[in-house]
Amino acid sequence: DAMVIQNPRYQVTQFGKPVTLSCSQTLNHNVMYWYQQKSSQAPKLLFHYYDKDFNNEADTPDNFQSRRPNTSFCFLDIRSPGLGDAAMYLCATSTKPGQGARPYEQYFGPGTRLTVT
Amino acid sequence: AQTVTQSQPEMSVQEAETVTLSCTYDTSESNYYLFWYKQPPSRQMILVIRQEAYKQQNATENRFSVNFQKAAKSFSLKISDSQLGDTAMYFCAFMKIAYSGAGSYQLTFGKGTKLSVIP
Repeated sequence: DAMVIQNPRYQVTQFGKPVTLSCSQTLNHNVMYWYQQKSSQAPKLLFHYYDKDFNNEADTPDNFQSRRPNTSFCFLDIRSPGLGDAAMYLCATSTKPGQGARPYEQYFGPGTRLTVT
Repeated sequence: AQTVTQSQPEMSVQEAETVTLSCTYDTSESNYYLFWYKQPPSRQMILVIRQEAYKQQNATENRFSVNFQKAAKSFSLKISDSQLGDTAMYFCAFMKIAYSGAGSYQLTFGKGTKLSVIP
């Protein structure tokens, strides 16, 4: 089945130690998103790629970076994790007009739960 | 900027009964989509139902239906014949539709309603 895969599902890192979360998709979707979801809160968009075009949200800290080497993969890099960055990180994908029958709908991966010690 | 408000942090319903989750939103946009997403415990978020703002007819998907009141900016979700598998956090979400490419697909989520289906 086509899907959005996130690895690892659980990640523990130390305060200040760089960490990379990965997302891959077999849906061949052009758009990929990264969300941060803190406990009992709504997901908050960090950034998204529209094809190779990177779009950063205005309030996303500089500590968060992203890479998309090809259509299938997208990475979230946290350069110096702080305790406040502990959260669930969700990757999602969507089509764009003309690509699929149901554009704008986002398909989510299972998430990576990040713990900062 | 858009805002989405879910006024019910938690709700419960007996199995086989009907429950309605509330959602209101604020926007100056005329072209947008509204969604309900379901996030079961420790599982991935999945789309429940979608409503295009230009459509007057309320969307339905099997046991799930919405009551979309555009003038009132209200978008409630009704779950009929509730099942144990419906236990989840439900998020209402807004998406502005823009045709310029970048920035067109941002979802704005509400804070969620935690629904428990009781046997």
